[in-house]
Amino acid sequence: NAGVTQTPKFQVLKTGQSMTLQCAQDMNHEYMSWYRQDPGMGLRLIHYSVGAGITDQGEVPNGYNVSRSTTEDFPLRLLSAAPSQTSVYFCASSTPGPPPEQYFGPGTRLTVT
Amino acid sequence: AQKITQTQPGMFVQEKEAVTLDCTYDTSDPSYGLFWYKQPSSGEMIFLIYQGSYDQQNATEGRYSLNFQKARKSANLVISASQLGDSAMYFCAMREGASGGSYIPTFGRGTSLIVHP
Repeated sequence: NAGVTQTPKFQVLKTGQSMTLQCAQDMNHEYMSWYRQDPGMGLRLIHYSVGAGITDQGEVPNGYNVSRSTTEDFPLRLLSAAPSQTSVYFCASSTPGPPPEQYFGPGTRLTVT
Repeated sequence: AQKITQTQPGMFVQEKEAVTLDCTYDTSDPSYGLFWYKQPSSGEMIFLIYQGSYDQQNATEGRYSLNFQKARKSANLVISASQLGDSAMYFCAMREGASGGSYIPTFGRGTSLIVHP
């Protein structure tokens, strides 16, 4: 049972480049989400999905795009990378419960130069 | 407005002592849940404890307990008998759901705990 997997673990991009962070879960969870973690800011929600074909914006969605074509996968696309997007990105999958369960992936450390 | 407030950026505790990490929250949703996570220096997010808004008893998980004071909107984490391995960042999070919320947790800014030998 792999849980939540994220690839890549590390990535360096140049300003203006685009890329996709991959996230997959094998627990058949309906809910998936993307967070970014910056020093002193905690985890901030970027986008989330409550099921295949359904996505919505979180607190900091600008510059990011998501889609959810299957229950298992929830990729995060950076459309045109900016230095402000340098961060650690966490993907999570969860159930509403009760009690709720939420599992995080190991994170992707992204640097934009 | 911030929904989760953790007012202690850093805390120090002596090994074997108890420590309380503060968390206050803001919601008008009658049905909500509160989480605590631990993030060691290795970076992974580890779930510690959960409290539902309708739960009658304070949640406990081993050395972790959640001091839930609904009227004061606080959900403090108490770690008893601190160990060196408890040194980490701790995050409080809340999810809302009954009044159109997403059931996806939002997080506070975290508290860094250092346990001294």
